[in-house]
Formats: sequence, C-alpha cells, structure tokens
Amino acid sequence: GNSVTQMEGPVTLSEEAFLTINCTYTATGYPSLFWYVQYPGEGLQLLLKATKADDKGSNKGFEATYRKETTSFHLEKGSVQVSDSAVYFCALSLNTNAGKSTFGDGTTLTVKP
Amino acid sequence: GAGVSQSPSNKVTEKGKDVELRCDPISGHTALYWYRQSLGQGLEFLIYFQGNSAPDKSGLPSDRFSAERTGGSVSTLTIQRTQQEDSAVYLCASSLFVSGGGETQYFGPGTRLLVL
Repeated sequence: GNSVTQMEGPVTLSEEAFLTINCTYTATGYPSLFWYVQYPGEGLQLLLKATKADDKGSNKGFEATYRKETTSFHLEKGSVQVSDSAVYFCALSLNTNAGKSTFGDGTTLTVKP
Repeated sequence: GAGVSQSPSNKVTEKGKDVELRCDPISGHTALYWYRQSLGQGLEFLIYFQGNSAPDKSGLPSDRFSAERTGGSVSTLTIQRTQQEDSAVYLCASSLFVSGGGETQYFGPGTRLLVL
C-alpha cells in the first residue's frame, strides 16, 4: 500500500535557525508529493508541491525536492521565523487515482524568538 | 464565499445518536474529499467524489458511515449510531480534477465532533 512517514515532532527551534523536516514515502505508482501547513486556528493549506522526480517545490522560503531514488521529499527552510510555527503535513497522491491522498501524521514546529 | 465551508463547526452528541456533517466545496471544483483527523494524528482518508463517477468509499471505517453528494456540489457525511471513537475533526476538501494528478486540495475549517 501507500504510506508517508515524516519526522516525529514536536520540533522547537530558535528564530533564524535552519529547518529540516524529513518525509519519506512508499507508493505503488508514481505519486505527486505535497507539503500542507496548518497554522494555529486555521485550516490546512498547500505550502508547496512537486509532481515529478527532481522537481523542486518552493514557497515562502520553504523548499522540497522530489527524490525518487531515495523516495523522499524533505522540507527545508534556511531561516525560520516565529510566524512559521505550525503543523506540517507531508502527503502524496497517485496520478492514476487522484482521490486516494495519503497524509503523514504531521510535525509540529514551534519557533521561539 | 470563495473557500470550502463546513457546518456545523462544532457538534456534541450522545453515543448512539446520528449526526450529519455538511460541506460546501469551492464552486467549479469537481472533486470532493472527506478526511478524519483524530487528536495528534494525521489525516485519515474517508471518501472521494469526482464528478458523476461512483465515489471511492474505500476509507470509510464502518457501515455506520455514509456520504452523498447532491448535484455535484454540496456533500453530507452521515454517521449513524455514533460511538465515542468517532470523536475527531472531520475535514472536507475540494479540488479541480487534473487527469495527470498533482491537484491541490483546498480544505474547509473542519467540524469538530465530540461523542459523549
């Protein structure tokens, strides 16, 4: 079956620190990969995505590269801000069955000033 | 409104009662999804609607759960004879259909269900 495994949290960093949240996947097909973010008191929203191998998704200073050889899609940011405090979810959807999205368990990030 | 809306935002019910949760997707989005998010857990896929195709119900946890989508727009998730383990946040999302995949899902604010 399909699965997404992401780094367990919570993660606590100081402002301007470097962030990595690991995400690996298993899929029976050829997936698209996503990072969604849930800010406190808000709904989930797309942060970035990549639809084929070696693509890099980027948004708001965050980046993730689709690595087929390591089945990974790690999220990185060079300098986090307090406003980045949120829960981050890695997800995949199979191109052949768009409805069956699989989400990771989420990683809670807290950035302290 | 421009986004996905869900109602009610909160629902408290007694064990054994039926509940209905509603989702209004973004206008023009042909795909609609229901997920369940239990405390501290990821999103559990429940059901997927795409246009006039038969829904993918493979994620529904038991036959107490059902969903329908009328007129290709509004969807209702019904839980019959609720149990305490049904307590969770129920999320709805919608998207355009992209044949090659990679569609972005737009989520509603969720319905927080508490079964006493």
